[in-house]
Amino acid sequence: SQQGEEDPQALSIQEGENATMNCSYKTSINNLQWYRQNSGRGLVHLILIRSNEREKHSGRLRVTLDTSKKSSSLLITASRAADTASYFCATGVYGGATNKLIFGTGTLLAVQP
Amino acid sequence: DAGVIQSPRHEVTEMGQEVTLRCKPISGHNSLFWYRQTMMRGLELLIYFNNNVPIDDSGMPEDRFSAKMPNASFSTLKIQPSEPRDSAVYFCASSPDPAGELFFGEGSRLTVL
Repeated sequence: SQQGEEDPQALSIQEGENATMNCSYKTSINNLQWYRQNSGRGLVHLILIRSNEREKHSGRLRVTLDTSKKSSSLLITASRAADTASYFCATGVYGGATNKLIFGTGTLLAVQP
Repeated sequence: DAGVIQSPRHEVTEMGQEVTLRCKPISGHNSLFWYRQTMMRGLELLIYFNNNVPIDDSGMPEDRFSAKMPNASFSTLKIQPSEPRDSAVYFCASSPDPAGELFFGEGSRLTVL
C-alpha cells in the first residue's frame, strides 16, 4: 500500500522556472526521502530529511517537512530541461520488526527548453 | 564503482513459465530490497533482507513469488508459475543503512504473455 500521495501528478514548466512538488502521508515517520526516476531507468536518491528536521537544502533542491500536517515539499529552483523526470517521495518507518520505505505516487515533471 | 546490478534487463515469457530475476547489491551494503513498479499500483515493496535474512515479506503478493539471498552478494526473485498480471518492472535496491538512502538497480522489465 502507498503511504504518500503526491501533488500535482504532472507539472509542466519552462526552463528557468521553479518547480514545487508536494507529498502528503498518513502515519508517523522516521524520515522522508525524495527520489528521481528518468524514463526507463532506476530511481536515484536526491535528499533525506529526518522527522526532527524542518528544512534541508542540496544544490538547487530545497525540501521542507511539516510533521504536524504530515506533508513535505520539494522545490527545484532554476529548472533545466535535464530535470525532466518523475519525482517520488518515500516515507521511512523503522523500528522493531518494521523497516519500510514506502513510495508515493510520483509527480511527472516536464521542463520545456 | 559498480552499482546494483540486475539481470535480465528485459524478459518476455509465456504464462505458466518460471521466471527468475537476479540482483547483485553494492559490496558492503547489508540491506536489500525488492520493489515492483506498475502504472496501476506504483512502486510496491515486495521483500526486505537484512544481513541476508528476510525481515519483512508482507508485500509478496502470493505464494507464486519467492525470494532468496544465499549470500551477501546475490539475491533472486522467482515467480512460478508466472501470470500476465505479474508484468511489471522489478527493482532491486541495496543500502548500507536500512534507514537510509536506497541505491537502485536499473530494473528488470518482465512481460508475461
